[in-house]
Amino acid sequence: EIVLTQSPDFQSVTPKEKVTITCRASQSIGSSLHWYQQKPDQSPKLLIKYASQSISGVPSRFSGSGSGTDFTLTINSLEAEDAATYYCHQSSSLPPTFGQGTKLEIK
Amino acid sequence: EVQLVESGGVVVQPGGSLRLSCAASGFTFDDYAMHWVRQAPGKGLEWVSLISWDGGSTYYADSVKGRFTISRDNSKNSLYLQMNSLRAEDTALYYCAKDIRFLGYFDYWGQGTLVTVSS
Repeated sequence: EIVLTQSPDFQSVTPKEKVTITCRASQSIGSSLHWYQQKPDQSPKLLIKYASQSISGVPSRFSGSGSGTDFTLTINSLEAEDAATYYCHQSSSLPPTFGQGTKLEIK
Repeated sequence: EVQLVESGGVVVQPGGSLRLSCAASGFTFDDYAMHWVRQAPGKGLEWVSLISWDGGSTYYADSVKGRFTISRDNSKNSLYLQMNSLRAEDTALYYCAKDIRFLGYFDYWGQGTLVTVSS
């Protein structure tokens, strides 16, 4: 099973700040890494597919990068509505696995 | 508009059984693989099970293998999860999720149905 480790677990940030969340895989997964946003009491929402591909309807301040074992989700100019927990997910091999989540708090 | 609506979550005693359903609409259901993903209260996301578009291939997390069975009825646009020998650690919000293909990303999620295993 491929283990995904996110960092940090929690971050408190101010609006307009740039945020970087990392996801490290226990073995190479190519670009089969996806990012989701989950707001309180809501279902997860797809933000980025295949490491860096944007999703229609997702604000352009969200971007992704990386390949192999190291991946990054970047949020430029954070907005109050971005308060959520962010998860990475790998689809390279069974079983699909998720990172433990990164909770963003807006100051 | 794609919609996934789960149902069937209740309070059940340890050792009991339960069947969850997910009603799909807004897309050609039998073109896509489907998953169950769960989230224990205050915890992260855990993949549970995957079924291919035709139901011919199924996969399970080790934590539920031998106790849970995933199935689908393409004539009813429905996904199911039969849960047997339930344990306290199965307590979670269960989501059905649509795969973009077989073992891709999840482009749509339901709102979840809560299963509580407690005496």
